[in-house]
Amino acid sequence: EAGVVQSPRYKIIEKKQPVAFWCNPISGHNTLYWYLQNLGQGPELLIRYENEEAVDDSQLPKDRFSAERLKGVDSTLKIQPAELGDSAVYLCASSGGDRDYEQYFGPGTRLTVT
Amino acid sequence: KQEVTQIPAALSVPEGENLVLNCSFTDSAIYNLQWFRQDPGKGLTSLLLIQSSQREQTSGRLNASLDKSSGRSTLYIAASQPGDSATYLCAVGSASKIIFGSGTRLSIRP
Repeated sequence: EAGVVQSPRYKIIEKKQPVAFWCNPISGHNTLYWYLQNLGQGPELLIRYENEEAVDDSQLPKDRFSAERLKGVDSTLKIQPAELGDSAVYLCASSGGDRDYEQYFGPGTRLTVT
Repeated sequence: KQEVTQIPAALSVPEGENLVLNCSFTDSAIYNLQWFRQDPGKGLTSLLLIQSSQREQTSGRLNASLDKSSGRSTLYIAASQPGDSATYLCAVGSASKIIFGSGTRLSIRP
């Protein structure tokens, strides 16, 4: 079974530039999560999708962050414009299928904003 | 508001020892608790998931317990090996949120 796929793995951009991350969840998983992880900390939920509906985006900074999951499968997280404080690892996870609630994570995208 | 704490932040033990990692949470109204390991520069790997109706789960040398009334979970690792060196995180799932602890960085000395 293929795992959660994320791209790119690394991204370096200058502040004020836009950036986008892509995630393809495990086949059949209806729930998709985007997390932000700072060094030495646990992941913090940014947004959770049930199929194509964003059911929890309370922690998403909507002035600069946006996300979409148009067909209920893969998802894109965008930051525009990026700030120095956005440097972190962005993790995607999915859950569903016959072991509901167990989350499976992708390798993450390490973003560096200079 | 749910708060999840993992103490200690770091732990170093010699190879072969049995050890216990701790996770505490403040709100007992949870759906489940999941333990992960994270290797440097990598994503999280699921180890064990305990539903709220369960007391423990076992996988190989790992055993996780859950005591909702006291707001605690432990991850027991038997006969530790250098390959167990990683950061271990717990995540508490409830109706509204999934909250992670900051993790325990485990180092197994050969």
